[in-house]
Amino acid sequence: KQEVTQIPAALSVPEGENLVLNCSFTDSAIYNLQWFRQDPGKGLTSLLLIQSSQREQTSGRLNASLDKSSGRSTLYIAASQPGDSATYLCAVSGIPGANSKLTFGKGITLSVRP
Amino acid sequence: DTAVSQTPKYLVTQMGNDKSIKCEQNLGHDTMYWYKQDSKKFLKIMFSYNNKELIINETVPNRFSPKSPDKAHLNLHINSLELGDSAVYFCASSQGPTGYWQYFGPGTRLTVT
Repeated sequence: KQEVTQIPAALSVPEGENLVLNCSFTDSAIYNLQWFRQDPGKGLTSLLLIQSSQREQTSGRLNASLDKSSGRSTLYIAASQPGDSATYLCAVSGIPGANSKLTFGKGITLSVRP
Repeated sequence: DTAVSQTPKYLVTQMGNDKSIKCEQNLGHDTMYWYKQDSKKFLKIMFSYNNKELIINETVPNRFSPKSPDKAHLNLHINSLELGDSAVYFCASSQGPTGYWQYFGPGTRLTVT
């Protein structure tokens, strides 16, 4: 059974800092990994999707890496801004078939202080 | 133009009642999902439909019954509501059942008193 862990549960940083959010998963037989952002009281917004054959994906100030063999992914946020404050969730997709669902971590709540 | 919409946004009801949550997507996607986010913010899939056919049915009490009248709609009906059903329910959609970006609705906060 796939389990996704995100530690720490919360993080507070000053504006401008570069930061790394970690995600680990127990079963390396994944199809892809996605990072989402959730603002309070809102739904989830997809940020990045990395296929299992890829090592990283970039979008603006965000860079996500994937090391499938070790069961790890990181989300790098450059030059953090107060508007980046949100909960960031990592989710892995199983291979096509019965296990193709997304399994989520509990998220990391990020607070960027002005 | 809202991609995935849910109604209602808030739902407060008493134990034992029956309620429904509606979801619609205008993205032309084939696959739709229901997720439950509990008080600890843990998000877990409940059901998934592809082309109106149920493809994922997690260990959910049979008081929960999804219905997909067409590819653009996936509704969730809950019978005999219990206190433990209080949560935020999210609908999502994707182009296909595996490996695609998932687009989430804004959520329905259900409170059972």
